Amino acid sequence: QKEVEQNSGPLSVPEGAIASLNCTYSDRGSQSFFWYRQYSGKSPELIMSIYSNGDKEDGRFTAQLNKASQYVSLLIRDSQPSDSATYLCAALLDTGRRALTFGSGTRLQVQP
Amino acid sequence: EPEVTQTPSHQVTQMGQEVILRCVPISNHLYFYWYRQILGQKVEFLVSFYNNEISEKSEIFDDQFSVERPDGSNFTLKIRSTKLEDSAMYFCASERILQETQYFGPGTRLLVL
Repeated sequence: QKEVEQNSGPLSVPEGAIASLNCTYSDRGSQSFFWYRQYSGKSPELIMSIYSNGDKEDGRFTAQLNKASQYVSLLIRDSQPSDSATYLCAALLDTGRRALTFGSGTRLQVQP
Repeated sequence: EPEVTQTPSHQVTQMGQEVILRCVPISNHLYFYWYRQILGQKVEFLVSFYNNEISEKSEIFDDQFSVERPDGSNFTLKIRSTKLEDSAMYFCASERILQETQYFGPGTRLLVL
C-alpha cells in the first residue's frame, strides 16, 4: 500500500517561532507533492506545491523535498495564531495518475 | 478569484435514500475530482473525471456511486442507496489541465441516519 505518513501532533509552537512539519512517502516514483492547510470543518486549502529536490519559498512558507530520503517538509516562519490548523501533506504517487494521496495531517497550535 | 462551489453545504438523509451532491468547478478547469473525509480521518480519493468520462476511481467508488457532468458547469456525485458509513464530508476539486494543482470546494457534510 503506497502511503503518505505524517505525525498527527499536536505540534505546539510559540507565536513568532518557526514551525517545522514533516512528511514521508513510500513510493519512490512519486513526483509531485503538496501542502494543504485545513481549518476544522473546512476544506483543504493549497499552500504550496513542490516537484524538485531542494527548497521552495513563498512568503513565510518554505517547502523542502528530498527524494532520496522520500521526505517532504514545510517550514512556517514567524508563526501566527491564525496558522493554527491541520497541515495535510499530499502526493501524486504514480506518474500519470492524478489522484492525490493524503497523509493524516499534523495539527499545529501556535500559542499567543 | 474563481472558486469551486458545492451545494448543499449540509445534507441529512435516511439510510437507503439516494443523494446527489453538486459541484461547480472553476470555469477553465478540465479535470474534476471527488474526495471524501470521514470525521477524524484522512482525505480519501473517490473518482476523477476528464473529457466526460471517469479517468480513475478508487476501491471506495463502488456501484453505489456515480458521477455526471449534466451540463457545461455542474459536476455531480450520486450515491444511490446511502449507508451509515457514507457519512462524511465530500469535497469536489478541479484542476486546469497539466497544472497538477487541485483546488478544493468548501465541501458537503453528509449525515446518513
